[in-house]
Amino acid sequence: AQSVTQLGSHVSVSEGALVLLRCNYSSSVPPYLFWYVQYPNQGLQLLLKYTSAATLVKGINGFEAEFKKSETSFHLTKPSAHMSDAAEYFCAVITSGSARQLTFGSGTQLTVLP
Amino acid sequence: EAGVAQSPRYKIIEKRQSVAFWCNPISGHATLYWYQQILGQGPKLLIQFQNNGVVDDSQLPKDRFSAERLKGVDSTLKIQPAKLEDSAVYLCASSSLQRTGELFFGEGSRLTVL
Repeated sequence: AQSVTQLGSHVSVSEGALVLLRCNYSSSVPPYLFWYVQYPNQGLQLLLKYTSAATLVKGINGFEAEFKKSETSFHLTKPSAHMSDAAEYFCAVITSGSARQLTFGSGTQLTVLP
Repeated sequence: EAGVAQSPRYKIIEKRQSVAFWCNPISGHATLYWYQQILGQGPKLLIQFQNNGVVDDSQLPKDRFSAERLKGVDSTLKIQPAKLEDSAVYLCASSSLQRTGELFFGEGSRLTVL
């Protein structure tokens, strides 16, 4: 069964610094991978998705992620952090089978320091 | 376009009481999901509907949880009787059949069981 592991439950960066949030997947077949963001007291919002069309995926708010099969990784990056990026970020994978459900990682809380 | 609507936003009950949550998905979305998000964890799927049929309820604690989606639109999730460990945010999401993995989430219903 497909699953994702997010390394680091909390990440702090200074405003203007590089953001790197780590996600590794486990899948026996080419996966569909996603990053979602959750701002305080809100639901989750799709940031970007990988569906095998291109290994470098660009999302909203300046975020991007690169699919690396050799490393089974799908890390999320942003060149320059903004205070408004402070939120919780979830990596997710589509499960196989007819139901095609999202399975989420445990999340990474991003803090942006002034 | 109206988003996914959920109510109530907050609910406090005592253990062994019952509670119901309501969700109205985005118009035209065939698939509706209920997720449970415990503090510090990623969302966990409870049940998935496609139109008014259940696709997967394998992780729904059926001795106390029930859900229905009448007429393939609105959905209700009920807990009876509630336990302390049911304290969580209950997220409703919807998606179209054509956009696998692209879920639109409501703001959630936060349940506290005392």
